[in-house]
Amino acid sequence: GESVGLHLPTLSVQEGDNSIINCAYSNSASDYFIWYKQESGKGPQFIIDIRSNMDKRQGQRVTVLLNKTVKHLSLQIAATQPGDSAVYFCAENRGAAGNKLTFGGGTRVLVKP
Amino acid sequence: DVKVTQSSRYLVKRTGEKVFLECVQDMDHENMFWYRQDPGLGLRLIYFSYDVKMKEKGDIPEGYSVSREKKERFSLILESASTNQTSMYLCASSPEGLAGGNEQFFGPGTRLTVL
Repeated sequence: GESVGLHLPTLSVQEGDNSIINCAYSNSASDYFIWYKQESGKGPQFIIDIRSNMDKRQGQRVTVLLNKTVKHLSLQIAATQPGDSAVYFCAENRGAAGNKLTFGGGTRVLVKP
Repeated sequence: DVKVTQSSRYLVKRTGEKVFLECVQDMDHENMFWYRQDPGLGLRLIYFSYDVKMKEKGDIPEGYSVSREKKERFSLILESASTNQTSMYLCASSPEGLAGGNEQFFGPGTRLTVL
């Protein structure tokens, strides 16, 4: 069935290294994608989003890449810091009314000092 | 800043009890959502609402109902709580905004335990 999923459930990263979190989606009609970060005990927080008419979007230390050909989304975090330790979710909007998002299962990022 | 608040951070109920989870947003958003979050399953949409008194079923509505009498408030109701409804419940809101999706703003979550 159609889904948004993540390749790796846990990612261990050395502090200062770059992190890459991957996400596959299967609905070619999806036109909006978003990454959230969830720290322990908190609700998800917006990191960055991208619309389907773009391939790349950059924020502060984060970059989202969208490859529509292979239906792949990735989040790159530059110079990973201890505060980046969290669970990261990708989500897609399939053009549904009411701004409905479909979420992937999440990837836990652990930053090692 | 957008603020989404949920009435309780932790809640313990007994099987068969009626449970109300309340969510309030202060940014005049049209859309509001209820999710449950379980380990390894991500966020699953229970119900959403795109206007006052309007509601739509999400992916897992069974065992739940919702109420939206005012724009700022969206309530999730468990008519008869069961142990398989033990979970983290997250509320979110978003503006109607652009076609093709917009950021959803989340509350801190309510961890519900049904004994």
